[in-house]
Amino acid sequence: DSGVTQTPKHLITATGQRVTLRCSPRSGDLSVYWYQQSLDQGLQFLIHYYNGEERAKGNILERFSAQQFPDLHSELNLSSLELGDSALYFCASSVLGQGDEVTFGSGTRLTVV
Amino acid sequence: GEDVEQSLFLSVREGDSSVINCTYTDSSSTYLYWYKQEPGAGLQLLTYIFSNMDMKQDQRLTVLLNKKDKHLSLRIADTQTGDSAIYFCAERRGGGFKTIFGAGTRLFVKA
Repeated sequence: DSGVTQTPKHLITATGQRVTLRCSPRSGDLSVYWYQQSLDQGLQFLIHYYNGEERAKGNILERFSAQQFPDLHSELNLSSLELGDSALYFCASSVLGQGDEVTFGSGTRLTVV
Repeated sequence: GEDVEQSLFLSVREGDSSVINCTYTDSSSTYLYWYKQEPGAGLQLLTYIFSNMDMKQDQRLTVLLNKKDKHLSLRIADTQTGDSAIYFCAERRGGGFKTIFGAGTRLFVKA
């Protein structure tokens, strides 16, 4: 157990729907990162939050949004889902977010049918 | 370009050494990482190296960094079947908060 908790572990939904993925960072970590891993795109950085504020954005679609709450947990919202959004979504956390060690959760596998 | 590049597959015999190579893009990257992903699991940090180092050794793992060529390698000595996994190279871009990953190298270890 890495200390980073992601729920749900598996999610199957239909095209056009909206889902929310949840992440609880490791205790004491202020930074949360979201990554998407798909077969054709590899591991893609989506977004980074530090202590509730957005710090960096990667290849995140406009249909996707995220936030980090005062208790430091984070949610990734995916809307108007398409078949190509099927992927593993990883959350990771680190203490500061400035080059320190990043710890990954075990991921949420999203299948869009 | 923006990509961190790695070869996709590597096959070795048990007991041999494995060398996984990576080319990164940003000469100002401060940290370079190797992560391991086992089936059905998240990424696990194996080791990292600061950009001002040439080499780092940690038990069976040796990381070599060639800053001039922006080339990073991971050597696993005495490779075991339990080392079969996908290995990701990653760079943390200098001055930013993004960690960019390669596509991963799938290591097959034959008994």
